[in-house]
Amino acid sequence: AQKITQTQPGMFVQEKEAVTLDCTYDTSDPSYGLFWYKQPSSGEMIFLIYQGSYDQQNATEGRYSLNFQKARKSANLVISASQLGDSAMYFCAMREGDSGGTSYGKLTFGQGTILTVHP
Amino acid sequence: AAGVIQSPRHLIKEKRETATLKCYPIPRHDTVYWYQQGPGQDPQFLISFYEKMQSDKGSIPDRFSAQQFSDYHSELNMSSLELGDSALYFCASSLTREQYFGPGTRLTVT
Repeated sequence: AQKITQTQPGMFVQEKEAVTLDCTYDTSDPSYGLFWYKQPSSGEMIFLIYQGSYDQQNATEGRYSLNFQKARKSANLVISASQLGDSAMYFCAMREGDSGGTSYGKLTFGQGTILTVHP
Repeated sequence: AAGVIQSPRHLIKEKRETATLKCYPIPRHDTVYWYQQGPGQDPQFLISFYEKMQSDKGSIPDRFSAQQFSDYHSELNMSSLELGDSALYFCASSLTREQYFGPGTRLTVT
């Protein structure tokens, strides 16, 4: 069964607008972490944001915020004030077995969403 | 800030040849992960090391092996290369919760 689902193969947004990229996950582990990565056409995988399942507040990093709805098992990425440089593939990923501090373990990725920012 | 270093960045090999990919994690990071990303695919976990010991293994072919050395750098050895091994190979490292990826090695098998 797919553990991470990104239902939007592609998304379009106008420059300076906000955009939400969807991610739902499936796990029976009460301790997990959720990640978002950006992969530009050059190929590198850039870490954006992390949310732990026990974190009390939704994670934010600059223009990136994570809309974490635990009961719905969703972890949507919100990018505010989109820029042309935001055009890229975005991956949601999960790590099961996360503890509150140091955590190790493999990531399981979703299929990705291609975001295109129009001027 | 220092990032994960991978070498080489690009590699072209013929079928049945061998390849060695190298990874230098962020200083003081004690865990290294290897992922394979095929064309148009999401990254798939291969293997990981914690403090120089193998900590987890994913869908890594028997033709592949990896190790982490005393200086924490890691190498992924790939033998009897097949066309299907053509992919982007990422190394990632972590110390706490975040997992940081290197720029990847793009392997092309012809």
